Amino acid sequence: RKEVEQDPGPFNVPEGATVAFNCTYSNSASQSFFWYRQDCRKEPKLLMSVYSSGNEDGRFTAQLNRASQYISLLIRDSKLSDSATYLCVVNRWQAGTALIFGKGTTLSVSS
Amino acid sequence: ETGVTQSPTHLIKTRGQQVTLRCSSQSGHNTVSWYQQALGQGPQFIFQYYREEENGRGNFPPRFSGLQFPNYSSELNVNALELDDSALYLCASSHRQGRGNAGELFFGEGSRLTVL
Repeated sequence: RKEVEQDPGPFNVPEGATVAFNCTYSNSASQSFFWYRQDCRKEPKLLMSVYSSGNEDGRFTAQLNRASQYISLLIRDSKLSDSATYLCVVNRWQAGTALIFGKGTTLSVSS
Repeated sequence: ETGVTQSPTHLIKTRGQQVTLRCSSQSGHNTVSWYQQALGQGPQFIFQYYREEENGRGNFPPRFSGLQFPNYSSELNVNALELDDSALYLCASSHRQGRGNAGELFFGEGSRLTVL
C-alpha cells in the first residue's frame, strides 16, 4: 500500500462546478500536510497547507482528519485555469522536510 | 519564478553511464532536497542536504549520491544508469532554522533525464 493514496481521476468538470479530491495517508507519524498543484510538464507548487481546523483560501477549502488519516480539497466555482494535477502531500519527518507525494489527481475544467 | 535553477533541463544518456545534475538554491535557503518524478507518478523523495551533509534519504540505492556546496548549491549524481532512471529530477530548496522543520519547499523546473 502506498503511503499517500489519492482518487485516481481524471476529473472532467464544466466551469462553475464544485469538485472534491480525497486523500488518505498511512503513516500516523506524519507531521504536516499540503496540497500541491502541478501544471503539465512544470514543477509542483504549493497550493495550500492543511490543518485540522480546516482552512480556506478563496475558492479552495482544505480539511484534515487525523483520526481517519484523511485529507480533502474542495474547489468551488471551477475555472479553466484550475486545470492541473493536484498532489496530496504529507511531511513525515521531524528533523527536516521529506515530502511524500501521492500520485496526483488530474482535473480538467472545460467551458 | 522560484529562484531555484536546475541544469541541464534535458539530457539523454545510455544504460551504464553516469550523470550529474545541478541545482542552485533560492537566495537565503540552506537546505536542498532532490526528488524523482517518473511519468504519471508523484515526486519521490531521494535525499536532503543541510549544511553540506546528507540529512535524510528515501528508498533509493547508493548509486544515487549527492553533494551540497558551501554556497548551498547541490549536485545529484547517478551512477550505472538504468532504463527506469528515466524521469524528471526536481530540486527543491528551503530554509531550515535549527532542529525545526524546513520551511516551504520551492521547486526548480527540473532536469528531464532519458536513459536509452
